[in-house]
Amino acid sequence: SQTIHQWPATLVQPVGSPLSLECTVEGTSNPNLYWYRQAAGRGLQLLFYSVGIGQISSEVPQNLSASRPQDRQFILSSKKLLLSDSGFYLCALERGGTDTQYFGPGTRLTVL
Amino acid sequence: QQQVKQSPQSLIVQKGGISIINCAYENTAFDYFPWYQQFPGKGPALLIAIRPDVSEKKEGRFTISFNKSAKQFSLHIMDSQPGDSATYFCAASMETSGSRLTFGEGTQLTVNP
Repeated sequence: SQTIHQWPATLVQPVGSPLSLECTVEGTSNPNLYWYRQAAGRGLQLLFYSVGIGQISSEVPQNLSASRPQDRQFILSSKKLLLSDSGFYLCALERGGTDTQYFGPGTRLTVL
Repeated sequence: QQQVKQSPQSLIVQKGGISIINCAYENTAFDYFPWYQQFPGKGPALLIAIRPDVSEKKEGRFTISFNKSAKQFSLHIMDSQPGDSATYFCAASMETSGSRLTFGEGTQLTVNP
């Protein structure tokens, strides 16, 4: 079965600082990968998804970006964090054609 | 048309009771409807899912009821237990969207002992 790793688990960053969150997956090849953000007590907002290496689709215009340098690696970045970037960031994978998404443990980001 | 509306926002049930969470959608192109369970500080975990070719799906104490004409689906948790206390999310996706899920806002379930 597949495993999703996210790090760091928690992160506190000042406004204006850069960001890099990493997601790696095991146990599957060529998955579709997703980045979601969850505000406190709210639902999940899809930020980016990727169907393959170097292929990124953005769902919400913002100061975040994503990259997929390897099949099983998905990175979320920002050059300058805003207060509104605080939240719980979740990486998810879907094995092609199954519709079912599995979520990682998440990264709690607090921007001060 | 991409929204999925979930209710109630919070729910308190006694141990052994039935928990019912409802979702409604607008886009008739949606063809996959999963439910996720999330504990505090953890990622959501897939609980059960249904496609519109069936009206009901049951897995243990969890049942999805699906009403295609009303564009509604619901999660029923039978014999609710304190360990079921969590936030539940419904979601929907369609084949043409590449499985991008649209989530409801979540229901915080508390099961009292």
